[in-house]
Amino acid sequence: QSALTQPRSVSGSPGQSVTISCTGTSSDVGGSNFVSWYQHHPGKAPKLMIYEVSKWPSGVPDRFSGSKSGNTASLAISGLQTEDEADYYCCSKAGSNRSVFGGGTMLTVL
Amino acid sequence: EVQLVESGGGFVQPGGSLRLSCAASGFTFTNYWMTWVRRAPGKGLEWVANINQDGGERSYVDSVKGRFTISRDNAEKSVYLQMSSLRAEDAAVYYCVRHSWYTFDVWGQGTVVTVSS
Repeated sequence: QSALTQPRSVSGSPGQSVTISCTGTSSDVGGSNFVSWYQHHPGKAPKLMIYEVSKWPSGVPDRFSGSKSGNTASLAISGLQTEDEADYYCCSKAGSNRSVFGGGTMLTVL
Repeated sequence: EVQLVESGGGFVQPGGSLRLSCAASGFTFTNYWMTWVRRAPGKGLEWVANINQDGGERSYVDSVKGRFTISRDNAEKSVYLQMSSLRAEDAAVYYCVRHSWYTFDVWGQGTVVTVSS
């Protein structure tokens, strides 16, 4: 199972918006509504930001939003804040009881 | 408070074995699948293995099949990862994760596994 494809890095200034893409295949992203996104600050536990393509867990601000079109899912972050600087990972169901993560995207808030 | 606490990481030589443990608290353990996810140095997150509520269903990433075994003890509210025939590429931070409908909603702080001669 190959990792989902994400851009290595994205950047934006405080207050701006960025979008992170996550491309898979019809066997994972394209064939499933079980796509989720995680924020990972180095040295800390990853944090669930979006689940089932576009749903928010409790406590996650609505500046973060998810969508999907075909084999590509996207995470949009609006009103960038310095604390948003982290690594972001998408993840998809990839068969029965299996999951696959993306390679990760480093977000820099300039 | 919902919490997962991993232990058992450490230094091991290639070909060696290690058993990771994860203690759960603050939620009904038997209601959830449990998963191990790892992050190797300089690399991204990788799903490693998961186990269903009664331990009857287990799945593994291809690279660890036959070498790693996931198990759980519901009475102890714990999940384990027995790792054998360890390779340099298995070196990583291993996270214990609560899993619901392919969503990983609670993560432990991780335990570090170093594989080196």
